[in-house]
Amino acid sequence: GESVGLHLPTLSVQEGDNSIINCAYSNSASDYFIWYKQESGKGPQFIIDIRSNMDKRQGQRVTVLLNKTVKHLSLQIAATQPGDSAVYFCAEKGRGSNYKLTFGKGTLLTVNP
Amino acid sequence: EAQVTQNPRYLITVTGKKLTVTCSQNMNHEYMSWYRQDPGLGLRQIYYSMNVEVTDKGDVPEGYKVSRKEKRNFPLILESPSPNQTSLYFCASSLTGTGAYNEQFFGPGTRLTVL
Repeated sequence: GESVGLHLPTLSVQEGDNSIINCAYSNSASDYFIWYKQESGKGPQFIIDIRSNMDKRQGQRVTVLLNKTVKHLSLQIAATQPGDSAVYFCAEKGRGSNYKLTFGKGTLLTVNP
Repeated sequence: EAQVTQNPRYLITVTGKKLTVTCSQNMNHEYMSWYRQDPGLGLRQIYYSMNVEVTDKGDVPEGYKVSRKEKRNFPLILESPSPNQTSLYFCASSLTGTGAYNEQFFGPGTRLTVL
């Protein structure tokens, strides 16, 4: 079946460095992608999204890149801070359905002071 | 404060004892959804509701029931819980669905243990 996966389950960075979290997806019909942040003991929180007709989208300190050729999604966090420590999930929405999301398994980001 | 609430937050029960996990949102959202989160498997969708009295199965609906009698509430019902339903459950809501410009808001989670 279709799936959304992640290249790395854990990522450790130094405070102030840039972080890159990767996600591979297999459903070429997906038309919308979202990154979520989940802090310990909390529910996932929306970070940034991107539609399939875009290659890049920027937010505050975060950038999402979409490479449809290789079905790859990445989340870049600039000047990573201790408060960025969390599990990050990518999610995809298939074309034709506005009610379902498929989530990746998550990457644990640890920011060292 | 705009939020999604779930109750209880923690529950330990025994096999076969019916239980209900409540979910409520105060944002007048049409769409609500239930997920379970298991180590190594990520978040998987159980059921979702597009509006009052309209529900549909997600990817892992077996052993669960839902109802949507009111817009704000979307309870998850386990008629006969089994140990494989031990998991962390999240309720989420959004304005109309999971498409673009429809940010999903998640509740704080309910940790369920079935002995």
